[in-house]
This record gives sequence, C-alpha cells and structure tokens, in this order.
Amino acid sequence: GAGVSQSPSNKVTEKGKDVELRCDPISGHTALYWYRQRLGQGLEFLIYFQGNSAPDKSGLPSDRFSAERTGESVSTLTIQRTQQEDSAVYLCASSLDSVAYEQYFGPGTRLTVT
Amino acid sequence: QKEVEQNSGPLSVPEGAIASLNCTYSDRGSQSFFWYRQYSGKSPELIMFIYSNGDKEDGRFTAQLNKASQYVSLLIRDSQPSDSATYLCAGRGSNYKLTFGKGTLLTVNP
Repeated sequence: GAGVSQSPSNKVTEKGKDVELRCDPISGHTALYWYRQRLGQGLEFLIYFQGNSAPDKSGLPSDRFSAERTGESVSTLTIQRTQQEDSAVYLCASSLDSVAYEQYFGPGTRLTVT
Repeated sequence: QKEVEQNSGPLSVPEGAIASLNCTYSDRGSQSFFWYRQYSGKSPELIMFIYSNGDKEDGRFTAQLNKASQYVSLLIRDSQPSDSATYLCAGRGSNYKLTFGKGTLLTVNP
C-alpha cells in the first residue's frame, strides 16, 4: 500500500518568504507528526495531530510556524517569513493511532533558505 | 529538559562483528524506547522498540533496556556492510511524543 508522501521533495526559498509543506499520511492513520532534522542532528518534534483532538503544538519553535490538518487526511506545515536557520529536512510521520508504536516516516522535504 | 544522549560516533566495526550502540535518557517518565535506522539522505525506519526491562531479540538485532540506569542499547550481530547507517534512539513518555537522540553513525567495513 501507499506510504506517507510529502511534497515538495526539495524547496529553495529566499529569506523572508513563506513556504508551505504538505504531508499525506497513510490512509486510516489517525495520528500525524511533524519533525525537523537539521544537518547532522536528530529529529526535533514540532507538532502532533491525533484525530479531531486539539493538536499538540509544544514543539513549534516560533509563531512563524503553524500547521493544519483536515480531519484524518492531509496536513500542511507553514513557515512564514523564513529565516536561514529554518533550513532543514522536514519529516512527517503517521501512525495508526497515538498508542501504536510504529511511526511511518515520509521521505521528507528538504528546505533551503538562501 | 527531556534528553536522549547518544555517542555520535562514527562507530566502525568489521563485517561479521557485533556492533553495540548505546543511549541514555534523562526522563524517568519515558515508558518505551525505539531504535530507528536512517540511511544517508533517507527517512528513518523503525528497527525495534522495547518497553520492558531486559532484552528483546529480533533476528540479528537485540535491544536492551535498563530503566534503573536509564540506559538503552542495540546490539547488531553478524554486522553487514548494509547495516552501515545512522542509528537513532528515541524515548516516548505518556504523551506519545518521541524524543530523539542525535544518532550514532555506524560503518561496517567489508
């Protein structure tokens, strides 16, 4: 079956511009996570959606970051007024529910802010 | 601050040897632990998870958890060049969020 998909795979943007990253989770997965991975670093939690519950936004680094998810489908992560320190790979993962142990990761979006 | 610490490596082992990857965590509320493998330029994939003290074996992989020492390890027996990757350790608490370490780069030399 189809895995988690993300788009675009690569995005180069100028400092100060807004970007929108998209994640399509595995069908039927109610939990969706966004992570950021800077070069040579581990994964940094950003935000978590579980069904229709209020999202856990505790990992968002600043108010320039926001994310939405419609029901149990697509999620978008928006970064406003991008800065060079936002350059990273943004990874999306989904799991059957919040209890399920396995999170399935998408291929990521590599964001470069020039 | 909840932290997961790993030796960044690189850890280099000869083919056929046992690779030992270690991880410590600071949050005693962490209930389960995960080992992910990440090939260069690829996304992480789950190798194993463990939530009980002791050992858990799956093929060539053994995860070990010692909650008293706040220590998790992953042993890879009969290491193969295809095992060369970065191994990420993660802990999960009651809030279901994963806290990742920075990863250990493993190189298996033919």
